Amino acid sequence: EDQVTQSPEALRLQEGESSSLNCSYTVSGLRGLFWYRQDPGKGPEFLFTLYSAGEEKEKERLKATLTKKESFLHITAPKPEDSATYLCAVQARTGGFKTIFGAGTRLFVKA
Amino acid sequence: EADIYQTPRYLVIGTGKKITLECSQTMGHDKMYWYQQDPGMELHLIHYSYGVNSTEKGDLSSESTVSRIRTEHFPLTLESARPSHTSQYLCASSSDPGQGSYGYTFGSGTRLTVV
Repeated sequence: EDQVTQSPEALRLQEGESSSLNCSYTVSGLRGLFWYRQDPGKGPEFLFTLYSAGEEKEKERLKATLTKKESFLHITAPKPEDSATYLCAVQARTGGFKTIFGAGTRLFVKA
Repeated sequence: EADIYQTPRYLVIGTGKKITLECSQTMGHDKMYWYQQDPGMELHLIHYSYGVNSTEKGDLSSESTVSRIRTEHFPLTLESARPSHTSQYLCASSSDPGQGSYGYTFGSGTRLTVV
């Protein structure tokens, strides 16, 4: 069964304190792994798609990496506006275009 | 700017009422989805569509129904609302693989409360 597990559930950082969020996944043939950002009361906002092990994507202070079993979202020198829930999700090649989401990591960045 | 619109944003309704949650997108995407999300929990797929007149049930059992008569419109209907339907409902659409990143574009959601 396809599954996504994110850790930690919550992460509290000081402004400027770099860290990483983890996404472990099992899927029968990965079509794509996705990262989203979700602010309270809003729908998720797409950040990255990763397709194969070794791939990396960057956007401002965020960098996503992928291995065959997990993905990391690295946050460099975070700011308070980076506070949000970060969701990881996967699509399997055999699952049509359905996407399976993890429960997310709630990130709090204090000034 | 959001290219996918959900209405209403908030809805409080009595048990037994029929409700329709609206979702429209302006991107011409063939693929559309409805997810249910409780606070702090995963998104669960309840319905999806890969094009006009195509609808499928998702992995989460749901008493709702959907229709896809036009590409841009994907409404979700609850024939008889119950307190167990209280949740946030998120609509999304996506392009095909090979057309950019094909990540989902989500609406802002409808927060439904059934009393």
